[in-house]
Amino acid sequence: QVQLQESGPGLVKPSQTLSLTCTVSGGSVTSDEYQWTWIRQSPGKGLEWIGYIYYSGSTSYNPSLKSRLTMSFDTSKNQFSLKVTAVTAADTAVYYCARAPYGRMFFDPWGQGTLVTVSS
Amino acid sequence: DIQMTQSPSFVSASVGDRVTITCRASQGIGSWLAWYQQKPGKAPKLLIYSASSLQSGVPSRFSGSGSGTDFTLTISGLQPEDFATYYCQQANSFPLTFGQGTRLEIK
Repeated sequence: QVQLQESGPGLVKPSQTLSLTCTVSGGSVTSDEYQWTWIRQSPGKGLEWIGYIYYSGSTSYNPSLKSRLTMSFDTSKNQFSLKVTAVTAADTAVYYCARAPYGRMFFDPWGQGTLVTVSS
Repeated sequence: DIQMTQSPSFVSASVGDRVTITCRASQGIGSWLAWYQQKPGKAPKLLIYSASSLQSGVPSRFSGSGSGTDFTLTISGLQPEDFATYYCQQANSFPLTFGQGTRLEIK
């Protein structure tokens, strides 16, 4: 049974870069069957889809965040990662990684989520 | 972006009740809709996908229907573990978007 686990700093200063990693167990990030996704949840904006990365390295990002996003793989560690540059308080949220079947963007399973606070 | 609007935002019900939650899309999305359940401090859990398909392991008291712009999630015979917040999500076009949530509480 596949499991996902987010990791990364819980506190990031404004204007800096937020970096998170999702470690996948019980499955491979190199599978062509799935799209590996990031979603965030904040009290103000609810659930927000951030984007996904496919095994080929192709990505799709939310236009509202696109200019600040980078997603990538570390296949040696069976991980995928998220970087968000120039963060502000509006980026404070619980960040989730999740898996979606290729071509069908329904998310299951999800990681447990990690709270990232942007504050000086 | 496609806007997803859920109603009601809050519902109070008793164990054993039948509850229906509605989700409306701002434009047609076919059957590209999912429903999730979220409990406090936990990640959302997929209940229904493709508008009416029950995710493996989800109790059959959960059902979904609809297509185009109007969708419903029905819980028949509420159980204590069903009190949570429910979200719809459209998977028709990018950016993917979620409803604002419906909080289901015990009466």
